[in-house]
Amino acid sequence: DTGVSQDPRHKITKRGQNVTFRCDPISEHNRLYWYRQTLGQGPEFLTYFQNEAQLEKSRLLSDRFSAERPKGSFSTLEIQRTEQGDSAMYLCASSLRPAKLFFGSGTQLSVL
Amino acid sequence: DQQVKQNSPSLSVQEGRISILNCDYTNSMFDYFLWYKKYPAEGPTFLISISSIKDKNEDGRFTVFLNKSAKHLSLHIVPSQPGDSAVYFCAATTATSGTYKYIFGTGTRLKVLA
Repeated sequence: DTGVSQDPRHKITKRGQNVTFRCDPISEHNRLYWYRQTLGQGPEFLTYFQNEAQLEKSRLLSDRFSAERPKGSFSTLEIQRTEQGDSAMYLCASSLRPAKLFFGSGTQLSVL
Repeated sequence: DQQVKQNSPSLSVQEGRISILNCDYTNSMFDYFLWYKKYPAEGPTFLISISSIKDKNEDGRFTVFLNKSAKHLSLHIVPSQPGDSAVYFCAATTATSGTYKYIFGTGTRLKVLA
């Protein structure tokens, strides 16, 4: 059990650029979540996959955000035309039994 | 609309004493609750959970109490240790939805003084 892995750990980008983050869940986990956390706040739900199917998306996920989980394994979160308000920690979590989420260390995004 | 609230942003406790972290929720449909601990630059780490069919769950030094009528839960840490210093988040979900989309509170920063 190597835990949930996220790459990169840090990303600095200029406003208007596209960025993509990767999440590798724990291998047998069929559920995968993306959350976003800003300073002083708790994690906010963005989207949820069960296997390869994206079953729920938050209103927070604008058209500039897209997430995929091909073949039900790793997942990617892409942000197009980044804005300064996108600066946050992006957290991925996976679970086998839904009652307990295992989080990765997150990707810290800074948009200049 | 903050459905899960942690009204104390910070708490300081002496080593060896009890730490009590509180969490309130507004959505009566929530029926499953988690507590997480978070160190800087790391993801949240699961601590303990409780289902609404119970009013108490215990795991070592950690005990979670649930008062459904008051829509309130609390995490007790006894005895507190300096390594417990972290930000603690409570999270709630409606298990019957199937998604288990957890709503998190804003966190309480616990500092355990040696």
